[in-house]
Amino acid sequence: NAGVMQNPRHLVRRRGQEARLRCSPMKGHSHVYWYRQLPEEGLKFMVYLQKENIIDESGMPKERFSAEFPKEGPSILRIQQVVRGDSAAYFCASSRQGSYEQYFGPGTRLTVT
Amino acid sequence: SQELEQSPQSLIVQEGKNLTINCTSSKTLYGLYWYKQKYGEGLIFLMMLQKGGEEKSHEKITAKLDEKKQQSSLHITASQPSHAGIYLCGAAPLLGAQKLVFGQGTRLTINP
Repeated sequence: NAGVMQNPRHLVRRRGQEARLRCSPMKGHSHVYWYRQLPEEGLKFMVYLQKENIIDESGMPKERFSAEFPKEGPSILRIQQVVRGDSAAYFCASSRQGSYEQYFGPGTRLTVT
Repeated sequence: SQELEQSPQSLIVQEGKNLTINCTSSKTLYGLYWYKQKYGEGLIFLMMLQKGGEEKSHEKITAKLDEKKQQSSLHITASQPSHAGIYLCGAAPLLGAQKLVFGQGTRLTINP
């Protein structure tokens, strides 16, 4: 049973470009969470999604960031017009319906030059 | 908002020794999670505790949640090089909440 998959593992973008991060949850998991780990900082919650629904986006920056989890396909975290401060490791986690146990993917390390 | 404080921030122990990492919350814990992270990798789920006084073990790692549900400890017995990494505690800030708040992590080094 494959774990949570994220791609790409490393992403380099120039300032002003768009970054798209993908997350495929574990088989049987219908809940997806995105977290961000800034350099020298802790892991911070960004958004919680179920299929086709955003449940909690209280940790998402108000501008340039969006997330989706379509009926088919992976969850996508999209960052428009990236700035250097967006450089971080972005982790996706998933859980089963009715479970509080979250399983994390390997992360995508975004570098903005 | 809930804050989690881990202690110590870093720990160096001799292989074979026991060690304890603590996680203290500013508010009641509704679900306490322990994860391990190796540099450059994702988080590995270790254990989840929900009930006051609960204790769980996996191999040589034991985690406890105190009766008041504001502190948890992670104890490793007879440490091995494979235990090295960053240990993170995470907690649900509200009953039934799905998003997790994390401590700043404890970096564990095992010397052979």
